[in-house]
This record gives sequence, C-alpha cells and structure tokens, in this order.
Amino acid sequence: DARVTQTPRHKVTEMGQEVTMRCQPILGHNTVFWYRQTMMQGLELLAYFRNRAPLDDSGMPKDRFSAEMPDATLATLKIQPSEPRDSAVYFCASGRGPEDEQFFGPGTRLTVL
Amino acid sequence: LAKTTQPISMDSYEGQEVNITCSHNNIATNDYITWYQQFPSQGPRFIIQGYKTKVTNEVASLFIPADRKSSTLSLPRVSLSDTAVYYCLVGDWRNFNKFYFGSGTKLNVKP
Repeated sequence: DARVTQTPRHKVTEMGQEVTMRCQPILGHNTVFWYRQTMMQGLELLAYFRNRAPLDDSGMPKDRFSAEMPDATLATLKIQPSEPRDSAVYFCASGRGPEDEQFFGPGTRLTVL
Repeated sequence: LAKTTQPISMDSYEGQEVNITCSHNNIATNDYITWYQQFPSQGPRFIIQGYKTKVTNEVASLFIPADRKSSTLSLPRVSLSDTAVYYCLVGDWRNFNKFYFGSGTKLNVKP
C-alpha cells in the first residue's frame, strides 16, 4: 500500500529557529505539492514540483520559505527563520501527473512559539 | 483566477443522497474541478475530478452545468463514515496557474 510519508509528524520550535519538513512521495509519482492548512486560511498551495523542477511556488513567502527536491524520493520545505504565524499543518502530496489525483501525506503539525 | 464558494456546513441522515454545490463564477477555460474529502487529523483524499457535464466513479458523481460556473458533488446513500469536510478545488494544473480550494463544507451525517 503505497503512501506519501512526511517527517516529522509534529514539530514545536521557537521563533527564529530553522524548520525543515521532509516528504517522501509515492514511488513513480512525478508531481509533488506542498500545502499549508490553518483554521483561518484553510488549505493553501505553497509549491508545486514536476519531475523535481519547481513549477509554481508563488504561494510561498519567498523571504523565509524554500522548497526543494534533491532527488526523486525526497522533497523538503524549509522555513528560516520561523515565526509564530507559520504555525499550521503542512501537507505534502504527490501524483502521477498534474491532472491526476493527488495523494496526501499525514501532514506535519508545526507550532512556532 | 477562479475562486470558489461552498456552504459552510450541511446535515444529512444515513442512507440519504447528499449534494454539495461549489460556485466558481470566474472559472477559466482550462480549469478542472476537483473534490477532496478530509477527516480530522488526516490529509485530504481525492474523490472525483471533472471538466464538464457529468463524471461518476465508485464513490460519487460530479455534475457540471454547461456554463461551468458551479459544480455539484453528489454522494449517494451516505453513512456515518462520510462525516467529513469536503473541499472543491478549481485550477489548471497543466498551465500551472494558481489553485483555489474552497473553504470546505462540513458534512455531518446523523444516524
């Protein structure tokens, strides 16, 4: 049963610290998405990769957020420095192509104090 | 850019058919409509996707009128386990435009 995995599942950190979230997409999927979910804003698309190339990261605050795919089995989302307003659940999703369904991971719940 | 509007919540009873409508008045020519289901503490799960007319799979149907300014997710004979939040998403993946999730509809299925 192939699944998207995300680590860590929970992260509590202090303002100003660097946070790195990792995602392992389903083997064979060539599209990867990062989302953020908060009670106030709902689900927001942060970044979108296809074949490891970033195609759209316009939803991401560029000054502190960065997203990469060092290889086909790993996607990372980094926040540096973190701020309390970054507290949210961050989801990674992968798919076979842009029009196909996306499979979501369990999310990383981030709390920035 | 298409933005979506959904009812905040809906109530239903087991065995009933539930229809959830999403409004997307500014939908673009190449935009697709996708619906996701989310349970508490889990990531969203794909339900169905369509472009126009009607799409049906093993769990739901999606009705899209000719003008495509709205879409309706139809869940036949809901059960208690269908209690969840349902999101409508409109966007064009192929052209990498901005995607918009609706604010979600909390469906509460009662026994």
